[in-house]
Order: sequence, then structure tokens, then C-alpha cells
Amino acid sequence: EDQVTQSPEALRLQEGESSSLNCSYTVSGLRGLFWYRQDPGKGPEFLFTLYSAGEEKEKERLKATLTKKESFLHITAPKPEDSATYLCAVRRNRDDKIIFGKGTRLHILP
Amino acid sequence: KAGVTQTPRYLIKTRGQQVTLSCSPISGHRSVSWYQQTPGQGLQFLFEYFSETQRNKGNFPGRFSGRQFSNSRSEMNVSTLELGDSALYLCASSPSSSYNEQFFGPGTRLTVL
Repeated sequence: EDQVTQSPEALRLQEGESSSLNCSYTVSGLRGLFWYRQDPGKGPEFLFTLYSAGEEKEKERLKATLTKKESFLHITAPKPEDSATYLCAVRRNRDDKIIFGKGTRLHILP
Repeated sequence: KAGVTQTPRYLIKTRGQQVTLSCSPISGHRSVSWYQQTPGQGLQFLFEYFSETQRNKGNFPGRFSGRQFSNSRSEMNVSTLELGDSALYLCASSPSSSYNEQFFGPGTRLTVL
């Protein structure tokens, strides 16, 4: 069964302490992998789309990378405003369905 | 440009009742998807509509249904509500069904008592 697994479930970092969030997937035929950010009480906000292994995308303190089996969201020198739940999702080729992981709750302490 | 709007934002129902949720996509967007979000299961895909046709459906019982109108607005209906249907229901729109980036609304928080 196709799955998207995110780790860790929760992560607490000090401001300025860089780290990475992991998204591993088992999907036969990946059409795209997405990262979203979700703040409490709000809908997810799109961050990145990655299409093929080796691809990287950056936005401010965030950098997303993709391999054949997993994706990483690297957070460099995070600030308290980066605190949120980060969601990973994949769209599979055979039926275009999108499967979400359960997310990583990130808390940045000032 | 106005974002995705969902109404109502909060809803309380009792078991056995039915409910209809509404979603207005971003102007010009023709694809609308619905998701259920719970703490235990995360975001789960319900269905996707494009040009008034259901294009995809997730693994939910037939009590969950939806439709899309000619102006791309969409509704989802849940009949015979169960306690387990309590969740945040999210709607997302995109310009087309093949467009990867989705824009989410704030969701409707449904509580079933």
C-alpha cells in the first residue's frame, strides 16, 4: 500500500538551531512530492513541489531535497515564526491521487 | 486575489443528522478537492472535482458525497453523521486537475455529538 511517513512527529529546537525533517514514501510512480506548512486553525500553505530525484528548492530558511525514497526539509537558523506543522504529500502517477503524511510539529523556542 | 473560502467555519451536529459544507475556489480555478483532517489519521483525501465531474475519490463510505457547480463552487455532504466524522474538513483549489500546487481554505470544523 502506498504510504507517506514523516519523522519526527514533533521537534523542539532553539532559535538558530538548524535541523531536518524527513518524509519517506512508498509510491509506485511518483508524479510529484509537495511540502506544506500548516499553522493552527488554518489550512495548509504550499511551500514546494519536487518532481525528480536530485532536485532541490529553497525559500528563505527552508530547503527541500528529494531522493528516490525520501525527501528532506532542511531548516537553517530557524526563528520562532517558523513554528508550525510541516506536511509532506505525494501525487501518484497511476490515478493522480494525493497522499499526505501525518506531519511534523515544529516548535522553535526563542 | 481572494483565497479559497469555506462556509460555515464551525458546525455542531448530532449523530444521525446530515450536513452540507460549501467551498468557493479561487477565481479561475476549476479543480476542487476535499480532505478530512483528524489528529489520528492526518489529512485524508475525500474527492476531487473538475469541471463539475468527480475525477477522483478516496476511501470513504458512500455517506460522503460531493458536487461541483458550473461556477466551480463545490459542496460536500455527509449523511447519517457518526461521532467519528468529527474533523476539520478542508477544501483546496487549483487552476486545473493536472496542476500540482493546491491552495487550501481555512476549513470547516465539524463536531458531531
